[in-house]
Amino acid sequence: EVQLLESGGGLVQPGGSLRLSCAASGFTFSTYGMTWVRQAPGKGLEWVSGLSGSGGSTYYADSVKGRFTISRDNSKNTLYLQMNSLRAEDTAVYYCAKASGNSGIEAFHIWGQGTMVTVSS
Amino acid sequence: SYVLTQPPSVSVAPGQTARITCGGNNIGDKSVHWYQQKPGQAPVLVVYDDSDRPSGIPERFSGSNSGNTATLTISRVEAGDEADFYCQVWDSSSDHHAVFGGGTQLTVL
Repeated sequence: EVQLLESGGGLVQPGGSLRLSCAASGFTFSTYGMTWVRQAPGKGLEWVSGLSGSGGSTYYADSVKGRFTISRDNSKNTLYLQMNSLRAEDTAVYYCAKASGNSGIEAFHIWGQGTMVTVSS
Repeated sequence: SYVLTQPPSVSVAPGQTARITCGGNNIGDKSVHWYQQKPGQAPVLVVYDDSDRPSGIPERFSGSNSGNTATLTISRVEAGDEADFYCQVWDSSSDHHAVFGGGTQLTVL
């Protein structure tokens, strides 16, 4: 069974940093692109970042470019999101999702349950 | 940047057909994906590449895409279909960006 389990969320002050992790199981991790999508409380879905199966191609939303870094460790079947210079508007549930192909620019077939990030003083 | 427009809400009686639209400039030239999200749960892919269904998704869910409008159609609507629905495309005009519509709340009367 394909499973994605996010961790690393929590409360952080504005300007602070946080690293999210997404542990994957049940599929050949290195052959699929992955992505992060967030959802602010009571709001819709917002794509954050994605990358290819090898990690060689990465993509970022304009709202996080230069502050967030997506990466993956295929030996550990784990996806990461390093978030720096956090702002109140970054407060959201962060979901990781598995793309349907290797490039990462496909549909998001499987989603994790999400981890909450709260940016507040 | 590319914009997807969805109606905020759609209401339908049980057993009837619900149609949720997603508007975008020449969206017919893109692959459209649809997600269902029930309260407190993660989104679930229900239609991908305009009209394909992942395994486990009922045939009642179907999609189409042409011109400036993509449509998710849910036939024989059930109470359990009540949820928020989001369309999504990839905008590769400059760099690759995934874009979501604002979401449509489906209410089963």
